[in-house]
Amino acid sequence: DQQVKQNSPSLSVQEGRISILNCDYTNSMFDYFLWYKKYPAEGPTFLISISSIKDKNEDGRFTVFLNKSAKHLSLHIVPSQPGDSAVYFCAASIIQGAQKLVFGQGTRLTINP
Amino acid sequence: DTEVTQTPKHLVMGMTNKKSLKCEQHMGHRAMYWYKQKAKKPPELMFVYSYEKLSINESVPSRFSPECPNSSLLNLHLHALQPEDSALYLCASSQTDRGSSTDTQYFGPGTRLTVL
Repeated sequence: DQQVKQNSPSLSVQEGRISILNCDYTNSMFDYFLWYKKYPAEGPTFLISISSIKDKNEDGRFTVFLNKSAKHLSLHIVPSQPGDSAVYFCAASIIQGAQKLVFGQGTRLTINP
Repeated sequence: DTEVTQTPKHLVMGMTNKKSLKCEQHMGHRAMYWYKQKAKKPPELMFVYSYEKLSINESVPSRFSPECPNSSLLNLHLHALQPEDSALYLCASSQTDRGSSTDTQYFGPGTRLTVL
């Protein structure tokens, strides 16, 4: 039962343009959502998060949008840079005894010069 | 310092071996986590320690045995593993086990485990 889904395994974007990564979830009990970035041979690096009571959070070039009615969130990166090329994981947080993060499958983002 | 370190980086072991993975953080975090990540799959939670006590075990087989000797250290003892246990094992830590948009999990680089 995949509670967090990233339906696009890969995305290719021109440098300087906007990258939009999408994530869908099924469990309405998730209390906040996060995006992590992962380079090969490294652990996931936290990028940005959003509480379930908000609909937008912005940090520099990164903005996360949450649509609770659609159970959908997206990460916008603008402008995209070559160093943004990585795998991006969407994660959802739920407290069941302690915090659990449930990850999506990941989207490989490639920024082309 | 937001670093979580893990040793070794790579480990190859036979099915009869006993080995241990080590994770360390010096951020004063009181919650530590073990995740398993298979190729082309997302990380999956295995264990959560909070204040050095095991608070979550995600029905992990007993051939994986976690240990938290102090608030900075987390070990994962491995015994009689199967080839399907080959994966990247990730450690993470956070200030508390409650989580919030300002209390996020920081991950180590992982240990790449191969079971022959």
